[in-house]
Amino acid sequence: DSGVTQTPKHLITATGQRVTLRCSPRSGDLSVYWYQQSLDQGLQFLIQYYNGEERAKGNILERFSAQQFPDLHSELNLSSLELGDSALYFCASSVGGLAEDNEQFFGPGTRLTVL
Amino acid sequence: GEDVEQSLFLSVREGDSSVINCTYTDSSSTYLYWYKQEPGAGLQLLTYIFSNMDMKQDQRLTVLLNKKDKHLSLRIADTQTGDSAIYFCAEIRWFQKLVFGTGTRLLVSP
Repeated sequence: DSGVTQTPKHLITATGQRVTLRCSPRSGDLSVYWYQQSLDQGLQFLIQYYNGEERAKGNILERFSAQQFPDLHSELNLSSLELGDSALYFCASSVGGLAEDNEQFFGPGTRLTVL
Repeated sequence: GEDVEQSLFLSVREGDSSVINCTYTDSSSTYLYWYKQEPGAGLQLLTYIFSNMDMKQDQRLTVLLNKKDKHLSLRIADTQTGDSAIYFCAEIRWFQKLVFGTGTRLLVSP
């Protein structure tokens, strides 16, 4: 158990809908990272927040957005969902803000299925 | 190109050594990582190597880095059935972006 929790575990929805994925980092960790794992794209970095502020951005679509709240939990919002958004979405957390100097601890993931 | 390449599949017998290879692209990457993903689970950091090192050993794991060829390998000694998983190499790119390889599925048979 990494100490990172993600809810829900599974989510099934229809095209065009909007969903929110939630992540609680390990106690004391200030950074939250979001990743998408799909069959065709592999494992991709989406976005990082550090202490409430966006720190780094990866291959995140404009239809997707994220935020980190004062209690440091984070939410990833996916809107106008398409079939290709079906994937496993991971959240990770680390103590500091520099990805290279801080080990990232991964949550179990949320499996999103878009029908 | 942008991709971090790994072979897709490796099958070994219990007790043998496994070698998983990775070719990365960014010569300025400071850290290179190996992650393990077990079925239904998230990723777990196994080990990492700093770019000024050639080798790092950590119990059954040995990481070799060839910066000239941008080649990274992970050797698992005395492979066990519990080592069956998908292994990802990863490099740090600009703007703190962690880029993962395509993943190698290791199957260990008794």
